[in-house]
Amino acid sequence: QQQVKQSPQSLIVQKGGISIINCAYENTAFDYFPWYQQFPGKGPALLIAIRPDVSEKKEGRFTISFNKSAKQFSLHIMDSQPGDSATYFCAATAGSARQLTFGSGTQLTVLP
Amino acid sequence: GAVVSQHPSWVICKSGTSVKIECRSLDFQATTMFWYRQFPKQSLMLMATSNEGSKATYEQGVEKDKFLINHASLTLSTLTVTSAHPEDSSFYICSARERGTRGNQPQHFGDGTRLSIL
Repeated sequence: QQQVKQSPQSLIVQKGGISIINCAYENTAFDYFPWYQQFPGKGPALLIAIRPDVSEKKEGRFTISFNKSAKQFSLHIMDSQPGDSATYFCAATAGSARQLTFGSGTQLTVLP
Repeated sequence: GAVVSQHPSWVICKSGTSVKIECRSLDFQATTMFWYRQFPKQSLMLMATSNEGSKATYEQGVEKDKFLINHASLTLSTLTVTSAHPEDSSFYICSARERGTRGNQPQHFGDGTRLSIL
């Protein structure tokens, strides 16, 4: 059972545009929501993360919006650049082991 | 920043051989390390969680006798794929969580090992 649902599966955006990736979760025990960026042949790299007591977090061009009541969160990439072309994974964690549950991933392509 | 080194980055071997993959935290101590498997264009699937000095906890469906995990120190965990077969070919990624007092210490990922079994 997939506990974190991510959409869209793929996304094409023009340079300078806004990329939006959405995730929804079911497990109310999740208490930490990171986003990872992965380039081909590399491991995921932490991009930005949020805790459920905050509705928005911004770091540079990356913003997470969090809606606790709807159990949804999203990543916004402002002024998208070709170098942002990668696969993005949302994730959630809970429990003492802090295991990550990943979404299915979004392949972002930013056209020059 | 926290760096996790994974070695080798790519290995090709014959069916039936065993392959060892190392995961090291270079500049921090990792109380917990995680091993993932990723198929092309798919998400990461957690295989097991290992804590230093104790036995690994395997996810449902992962054969513990086939995927041997050792976490002998706070900076090193190894995954050994025993008697590897072509269906074991995949991208294996480790991550390490920093030792700290806060519960939300992030996981830092290695660059993965591409395993190809002929």
